[in-house]
Amino acid sequence: DAGVIQSPRHEVTEMGQEVTLRCKPISGHDYLFWYRQTMMRGLELLIYFNNNVPIDDSGMPEDRFSAKMPNASFSTLKIQPSEPRDSAVYFCASSLRQGDSYNSPLHFGNGTRLTVT
Amino acid sequence: GQQVMQIPQYQHVQEGEDFTTYCNSSTTLSNIQWYKQRPGGHPVFLIQLVKSGEVKKQKRLTFQFGEAKKNSSLHITATQTTDVGTYFCAGYKAAGNKLTFGGGTRVLVKP
Repeated sequence: DAGVIQSPRHEVTEMGQEVTLRCKPISGHDYLFWYRQTMMRGLELLIYFNNNVPIDDSGMPEDRFSAKMPNASFSTLKIQPSEPRDSAVYFCASSLRQGDSYNSPLHFGNGTRLTVT
Repeated sequence: GQQVMQIPQYQHVQEGEDFTTYCNSSTTLSNIQWYKQRPGGHPVFLIQLVKSGEVKKQKRLTFQFGEAKKNSSLHITATQTTDVGTYFCAGYKAAGNKLTFGGGTRVLVKP
């Protein structure tokens, strides 16, 4: 099991540029989550998908952020245009079932450390 | 919206000592999960508690879920340097699919 795979590990870009973060979830996992981690705000859920369908994007900061999941094995998080305040570690996580009383653990990728100058 | 608070934010512990970190939710939770994140790493699942008053142990770690299912605690005995990291609790609102993370307790161990 290769785990959740994210790329790139590090991204340094200039303000105004487009940034695309990529994620390959664990095979067979139905749920995919995008989190952002900063010292000030901790771990924030941006968006999550179930069976490739976006279920809740209420955590997406603004229209500059968009996420897609074209198939069960790939998702992207895009920021256009990027701003210095977007600097953070972005984690992708996947899991099996989510239900009323039991929720499968989240398996996190290694994250992408984004720096916008 | 649902808020999950953790205290303390930082915990400096002498190696060999015990400590406890606490997690409190503004709403009743269907279940709660605990994760550990090593410096520079990613959160790794430790355990899930589902039942009111549930207590689970993993070696030197003891996890407890409150009777009202609004709070939880993690107690570590005989702290070791390998315990260094940030411990997060994360809760699901009843009948919800969104996992809300607390702010974490960053643990530093003094040898």
